[in-house]
Amino acid sequence: NAGVTQTPKFQVLKTGQSMTLQCAQDMNHNSMYWYRQDPGMGLRLIYYSASEGTTDKGEVPNGYNVSRLNKREFSLRLESAAPSQTSVYFCASSEFGGLDNQPQHFGDGTRLSIL
Amino acid sequence: EDQVTQSPEALRLQEGESSSLNCSYTVSGLRGLFWYRQDPGKGPEFLFTLYSAGEEKEKERLKATLTKKESFLHITAPKPEDSATYLCAVQAGAAGNKLTFGGGTRVLVKP
Repeated sequence: NAGVTQTPKFQVLKTGQSMTLQCAQDMNHNSMYWYRQDPGMGLRLIYYSASEGTTDKGEVPNGYNVSRLNKREFSLRLESAAPSQTSVYFCASSEFGGLDNQPQHFGDGTRLSIL
Repeated sequence: EDQVTQSPEALRLQEGESSSLNCSYTVSGLRGLFWYRQDPGKGPEFLFTLYSAGEEKEKERLKATLTKKESFLHITAPKPEDSATYLCAVQAGAAGNKLTFGGGTRVLVKP
């Protein structure tokens, strides 16, 4: 069972370069999410997609763009990378919650360093 | 604004030494409280969902409880394989499916 797959696992960029982080899930989930995890800050939501065709900003969206390519795939793009975007990025997916909220399931992350 | 605070930040236990982790939350209309386990270099792994005060869930040596202001994760007779970071997250009424996470508690169980 693959679950949520993120690529690449590691990446080093120079300031100003652009990059797209890829995420795919095979659980037929409606909702997908992008988080960043920094020491002492916990996981913070960047963007999310409640269903195919919709995207919304989370807590820390500045400097990022997203694309919900289809039900399975949700990508995160850094247009002009900055050192402050050095972090571990996690993608997650869940069933659409309604009143009986379903847990989010996470990938193993992309470790991104920006020099 | 929803807030989640976990304590302690780190916990060192001897194998077999039971303890509890705390997750305090301030939200408008709790829809669910989630516990996750995260191993180094891995993504968070779902453990439990709690929906209402008084609810309890158990899995092996872990037991999660919920009150109106906080949740506890009790680790009974821990083993070294229980070493991990434990994350707590809340889902509030106005936030849709979005989660607000605490900073986590790093647990190290020594043999």
